[in-house]
Amino acid sequence: DADVTQTPRNRITKTGKRIMLECSQTKGHDRMYWYRQDPGLGLRLIYYSFDVKDINKGEISDGYSVSRQAQAKFSLSLESAIPNQTALYFCATTAGTDTGELFFGEGSRLTVL
Amino acid sequence: GQNIDQPTEMTATEGAIVQINCTYQTSGFNGLFWYQQHAGEAPTFLSYNVLDGLEEKGRFSSFLSRSKGYSYLLLKELQMKDSASYLCACMDSNYQLIWGAGTKLIIKP
Repeated sequence: DADVTQTPRNRITKTGKRIMLECSQTKGHDRMYWYRQDPGLGLRLIYYSFDVKDINKGEISDGYSVSRQAQAKFSLSLESAIPNQTALYFCATTAGTDTGELFFGEGSRLTVL
Repeated sequence: GQNIDQPTEMTATEGAIVQINCTYQTSGFNGLFWYQQHAGEAPTFLSYNVLDGLEEKGRFSSFLSRSKGYSYLLLKELQMKDSASYLCACMDSNYQLIWGAGTKLIIKP
């Protein structure tokens, strides 16, 4: 089983719908991240969390919200999806060091029509 | 502004050597990462450099020159499975990762 699991892996939805992407990890890491990846662009940070009570906005947080339900779980929500949120979304974790490697989930491909 | 530049695509031959370059401009510097990403899969960690010089790890090596804002990833004895995108990411003074768009490496027999 993967150490970082994302659900759903693929989702097609319509404009205006609420969508939640879920991430769970078994690595015991405190730090969790949500990124989106678009063709021709680097990974962009949406939100990150260093522990259950800590939520921080990333570079592109507008239109998104997150919830850190437990150390192992970090969910990303799109309250009202729009087509330009069509992208590949990755959850990632790292141990409690600033320069530690990131461990990524398998990705959630979201299409907003 | 902060910026990471790397070539969009490169082609190399199986068994050969290829060097993928990355230049960066960031607010401060706390290290540079290379990740490999196969099509449709998650990125996986390859290397981390924070000091100048070459770090060798099997067939892969990574080089850093902080004064030049430059890094490269060197892949030797290329195999077909090395066909992937290679992502360069730089950590700025706030320990935030700035990612390049990735270099798609195509390996031909």
